[in-house]
Amino acid sequence: DSGVTQTPKHLITATGQRVTLRCSPRSGDLSVYWYQQSLDQGLQFLIHYYNGEERAKGNILERFSAQQFPDLHSELNLSSLELGDSALYFCASSRSGGLDTGELFFGEGSRLTVL
Amino acid sequence: TQLLEQSPQFLSIQEGENLTVYCNSSSVFSSLQWYRQEPGEGPVLLVTVVTGGEVKKLKRLTFQFGDARKDSSLHITAAQPGDTGLYLCAGLTLRDYKLSFGAGTTVTVRA
Repeated sequence: DSGVTQTPKHLITATGQRVTLRCSPRSGDLSVYWYQQSLDQGLQFLIHYYNGEERAKGNILERFSAQQFPDLHSELNLSSLELGDSALYFCASSRSGGLDTGELFFGEGSRLTVL
Repeated sequence: TQLLEQSPQFLSIQEGENLTVYCNSSSVFSSLQWYRQEPGEGPVLLVTVVTGGEVKKLKRLTFQFGDARKDSSLHITAAQPGDTGLYLCAGLTLRDYKLSFGAGTTVTVRA
């Protein structure tokens, strides 16, 4: 158990819909990262938040947005869903905001299926 | 195009055999990590290497960071079925403070 909690574990929805994925980092961790993992793309970095502020953006679509709340939990919002958005979405946390060594602790992921 | 290229993509071996997985790039990394991911779970950190030429051993796993800090290898001795999983390397580049993952090597160890 990494200490990172993600909900829901599985989500099935239709094209055009909007979903919210939730992540609680390990106790004491200030940084939250979101990754998307699909069979053909591997693990792709989406966005990084540190103590409530956006730190870095990766290959995140404009239809996607995220935020980190004062209690440090984070939400990833995916809207106008397309079939190609079907993937595993992982949240990871780390102690610092600087990615000092790149050591991340991953949750178990949320599997999104868009029909 | 992946910043980190992992090879081979798939590896299936018999229990007791040795295996090596490679992670290569043209970029220089300040640190490199190896993770293992099992089906239905998130990646789990195995090791971090930070110094060029560094070798770290974790029981039957040996990790090496290239002298130029552009590549790494993971060697497993006497593999066991419990070693089965997706092995991912990840490199941290300080110029953009970005952690990039390779596509992974799927290792299957048959009993």
